[in-house]
Amino acid sequence: RKEVEQDPGPFNVPEGATVAFNCTYSNSASQSFFWYRQDCRKEPKLLMSVYSSGNEDGRFTAQLNRASQYISLLIRDSKLSDSATYLCVVRTGGFKTIFGAGTRLFVKA
Amino acid sequence: DTGVSQDPRHKITKRGQNVTFRCDPISEHNRLYWYRQTLGQGPEFLTYFQNEAQLEKSRLLSDRFSAERPKGSFSTLEIQRTEQGDSAMYLCASIRDGAFEQYFGPGTRLTVT
Repeated sequence: RKEVEQDPGPFNVPEGATVAFNCTYSNSASQSFFWYRQDCRKEPKLLMSVYSSGNEDGRFTAQLNRASQYISLLIRDSKLSDSATYLCVVRTGGFKTIFGAGTRLFVKA
Repeated sequence: DTGVSQDPRHKITKRGQNVTFRCDPISEHNRLYWYRQTLGQGPEFLTYFQNEAQLEKSRLLSDRFSAERPKGSFSTLEIQRTEQGDSAMYLCASIRDGAFEQYFGPGTRLTVT
């Protein structure tokens, strides 16, 4: 079993749609959680950190459920520019960082 | 441009040759990571430095791989006796103490023929 597993995708949605990505992690000692975005042939960039209380940044909402070892990302009112790969990231032991395989999102006009 | 640079950006080599990649992190970042990414996968952790000390190495990093970070500044990743399975994007990321965000370089794309 992979340490971080994500929905395989790809997700194909129309502009304006709401889309949700899920991620599970296996190490209960994991301490920090993130969503990164990676555009085609580019480096990953931090989208947002994920907190137990849930957090929101504009159209993006992230949730963490430590009991279920589950992380989610919700994108509302999808834009064409949201088309990318979304990587779920888990940090354990203070520095070891594990990336999921990513979920590809295509937003079409 | 995140401020992390990698050189070269592309490398084509023949099987059995040695290659070396360089990463220059953001100057005030004392932590540095190397990752490998293949098509359709997320970055896979290879190794981690805090200043000049290499604190963790993945099982993915066979004896043919070695990484250094002399003086805690730039880092090099060397692959000896390259194999076709080594073909991938090699990413470097840096982060300062206490921060969450890793800043990635543009990567070095290695093709082994």
